[in-house]
Amino acid sequence: DAGVTQSPTHLIKTRGQQVTLRCSPKSGHDTVSWYQQALGQGPQFIFQYYEEEERQRGNFPDRFSGHQFPNYSSELNVNALLLGDSALYLCASSKLAGETDTQYFGPGTRLTVL
Amino acid sequence: AQSVTQLGSHVSVSEGALVLLRCNYSSSVPPYLFWYVQYPNQGLQLLLKYTTGATLVKGINGFEAEFKKSETSFHLTKPSAHMSDAAEYFCAVSAGTASKLTFGTGTRLQVTL
Repeated sequence: DAGVTQSPTHLIKTRGQQVTLRCSPKSGHDTVSWYQQALGQGPQFIFQYYEEEERQRGNFPDRFSGHQFPNYSSELNVNALLLGDSALYLCASSKLAGETDTQYFGPGTRLTVL
Repeated sequence: AQSVTQLGSHVSVSEGALVLLRCNYSSSVPPYLFWYVQYPNQGLQLLLKYTTGATLVKGINGFEAEFKKSETSFHLTKPSAHMSDAAEYFCAVSAGTASKLTFGTGTRLQVTL
């Protein structure tokens, strides 16, 4: 049973560019959450998707947007990249109905903005 | 609103010694509490969780944690540290089913010979 997968593993962009990160949830999961982990910090919640809709959103600007597909996979898009967007981006999947909020994390995508 | 405070950004113990990592939380609703471990250049792995019921929770790799409502704490312990326990540990809180996780800033555990 494959766990949560993310692609790419690493990414280097320059300021002002746009980036798309991808996530495939664990089998049987229908909810995807995205987190940003800056160096030396704990993960910060960006947003969560369920049934292709944004269900919750953290304190991130509109430059951060997402999408969930019918197969439950998800994308995170960041526009107009800033140096401060450099971080490890983590995807977590869970099952909304009948579960007790266990989120399983992928290995992350390391984004470097130059 | 919810928040987590992890006391001690770095903890060093000898191999075989007791591991104690501290976590205090704030929550306006009954909390769900979690401990995750992160090894270098990897994602987060769930160690254990508390939702309801028994306040002493046992997890993987010999770790356990006790939910103390009166102290708003959820400290992580392991009786005997192993070299392989060296990693970053994160405490997190959520408001319930599938709600967002709010993490602490992490505690780096070092295990020495």
